[in-house]
Amino acid sequence: QVQLQQWGAGLLKPSETLSLTCAVYGGSFSDYYWSWVRQPPGKGLEWIGEITHGGSTNYNPSLKSRVTISILTSKNQFSLNLNSVTAADTAVYYCATVRPTTRGDYHDYWGQGSLVTVSS
Amino acid sequence: DIQMTQSPSSLSASVGDRVTITCRASQTINSYLNWYQQKPGKAPELLIYAASSLQSGVPSRFSGSGSGTDFTLTISSLQPEDFATYFCQQSYSTPRAFGQGTKLEIK
Repeated sequence: QVQLQQWGAGLLKPSETLSLTCAVYGGSFSDYYWSWVRQPPGKGLEWIGEITHGGSTNYNPSLKSRVTISILTSKNQFSLNLNSVTAADTAVYYCATVRPTTRGDYHDYWGQGSLVTVSS
Repeated sequence: DIQMTQSPSSLSASVGDRVTITCRASQTINSYLNWYQQKPGKAPELLIYAASSLQSGVPSRFSGSGSGTDFTLTISSLQPEDFATYFCQQSYSTPRAFGQGTKLEIK
């Protein structure tokens, strides 16, 4: 059973950098890739990006110029940085596992979510 | 990028009803389609992966079907705990887009 615990600053000013970290408990770190998904208040889910256990990344083109996902294997953690935030980045941010299979990837475990508000 | 479109956006139904939600991809995604359930204030939970495979622990009243561009999620007999929002997601290519969601409400 995998558990994800995430944390980071909840209130940012425009132009600041959003930083979130997700710790992984249980399971084998190398069995998964790792992903971030966000959800603006009252809206749908947006896939932000993912990182493999080897460190390769894929990002949503809509955010690619501002986003970095990193992995710290020694601590079983991964992180999200999103720079130059605006009010449009206000959302609940979720970390999630990515189970890679030959039949497609899926998110089988999720963090509890972190509300990040961008306001001056 | 692949776009995912769900229908309907909202749905009212009663306990015991059979409900079907549809998801359409803007191009073929074979069977690389997942379904998630989300309740208010909670993280999404995986229901179905690879279009029709039931995630461990998910009740058998949930089923998925389809391939190519058209997919369905069916709940055979609605239970009170099923009233939630449902999202599809393609895993054929990145970015791994989600549908806009279908909110299932009590009639």
